[in-house]
Amino acid sequence: DADVTQTPRNRITKTGKRIMLECSQTKGHDRMYWYRQDPGLGLRLIYYSFDVKDINKGEISDGYSVSRQAQAKFSLSLESAIPNQTALYFCATSDSSGGGYGYTFGSGTRLTVV
Amino acid sequence: GENVEQHPSTLSVQEGDSAVIKCTYSDSASNYFPWYKQELGKRPQLIIDIRSNVGEKKDQRIAVTLNKTAKHFSLHITETQPEDSAVYFCAASYDRTGTASKLTFGTGTRLQVTL
Repeated sequence: DADVTQTPRNRITKTGKRIMLECSQTKGHDRMYWYRQDPGLGLRLIYYSFDVKDINKGEISDGYSVSRQAQAKFSLSLESAIPNQTALYFCATSDSSGGGYGYTFGSGTRLTVV
Repeated sequence: GENVEQHPSTLSVQEGDSAVIKCTYSDSASNYFPWYKQELGKRPQLIIDIRSNVGEKKDQRIAVTLNKTAKHFSLHITETQPEDSAVYFCAASYDRTGTASKLTFGTGTRLQVTL
């Protein structure tokens, strides 16, 4: 089935380490997003990309960077992880062509920075 | 940028009763308003959405209403069942295509349906 896959599912890392979260999709969607979810704060947008050559910052991009390697792949990097980046991270996709309206979310990556 | 406020943060109802969750948004240009359900340990799933040219939409026990003048929209669940227990998120965005784009989410409502 067409889906959105995130790796790893869980990760524990130390403060100061560089870490990459990966997202790939088989839905053929052009738009991809990274969100983080914290209890009581909902989902907040980190970065988004409308196509391979289009990368944009969201509301909480500080400390993060992204790479859109192909239409189907969108990676999120934490250059030097800090404890307040401990969160549940979701990748999402959407289709601008009008074939569907909503996001499709990946299964999430639970990141713990110690 | 867009700001979405969601109330209440927690809601407990008895099985069979109705549940209503309300959201307000700040950007009058927003034209797409989805609702997501997130069960414990799972990804958010789209349950219903509405575009700004429609005032109400219904899908079985779930309905969404939109008041553009007041900039608020609501989720209504009738005849609640235990499997409706989850966290619900509202969201809003603007895109010329009227589709999901850079969604701004509310902070979520934890709905508990008791027997």
